[in-house]
Amino acid sequence: SQQGEEDPQALSIQEGENATMNCSYKTSINNLQWYRQNSGRGLVHLILIRSNEREKHSGRLRVTLDTSKKSSSLLITASRAADTASYFCATDGGETSGSRLTFGEGTQLTVNP
Amino acid sequence: DTAVSQTPKYLVTQMGNDKSIKCEQNLGHDTMYWYKQDSKKFLKIMFSYNNKELIINETVPNRFSPKSPDKAHLNLHINSLELGDSAVYFCASSPWMNEKLFFGSGTQLSVL
Repeated sequence: SQQGEEDPQALSIQEGENATMNCSYKTSINNLQWYRQNSGRGLVHLILIRSNEREKHSGRLRVTLDTSKKSSSLLITASRAADTASYFCATDGGETSGSRLTFGEGTQLTVNP
Repeated sequence: DTAVSQTPKYLVTQMGNDKSIKCEQNLGHDTMYWYKQDSKKFLKIMFSYNNKELIINETVPNRFSPKSPDKAHLNLHINSLELGDSAVYFCASSPWMNEKLFFGSGTQLSVL
């Protein structure tokens, strides 16, 4: 079964607003990663947060991790039209997942100019 | 310079044919992967290699056979193509297992 589930499935906002996407997972993890996929392109790694970390920042991105709730959120501040893409969380459960990186179903973000 | 390049970008073929997708990375990574993305954008691991050794061989039909001639290359050969094989196939590489994957731009496979 799918390890990561993103919420919402789709999000539409205006340029300049903040976008928040959530990811929930089922088993313990070594790390959780967020990726972006523009239409017709490959995935691009955004940020990795380890199980012993609670928050990480990279530019306009902020990721939080709550291992007690088995959830993570990705916040994009001051969004731009170029942020329009699908965003995926991916969990590395280590040996419990058979050393597999498992991707969620993605959130489609649309930023309207 | 493209970090992970895969060819071809589009592949349209008839059922029953055999086809190959090539992948090369110039990042010096030890680990390479093949992922399949279906029409709902669900990404699933197919294979992963570390330093030319097969690490993950997911439950894919044995019509799919990966080949890693060296650390920088991981090719995917598919025999007897079926309609259900239609999807986008992504090659990826990473410096460590399951961390910070770099993806190719994908191969859109359409089986008619």
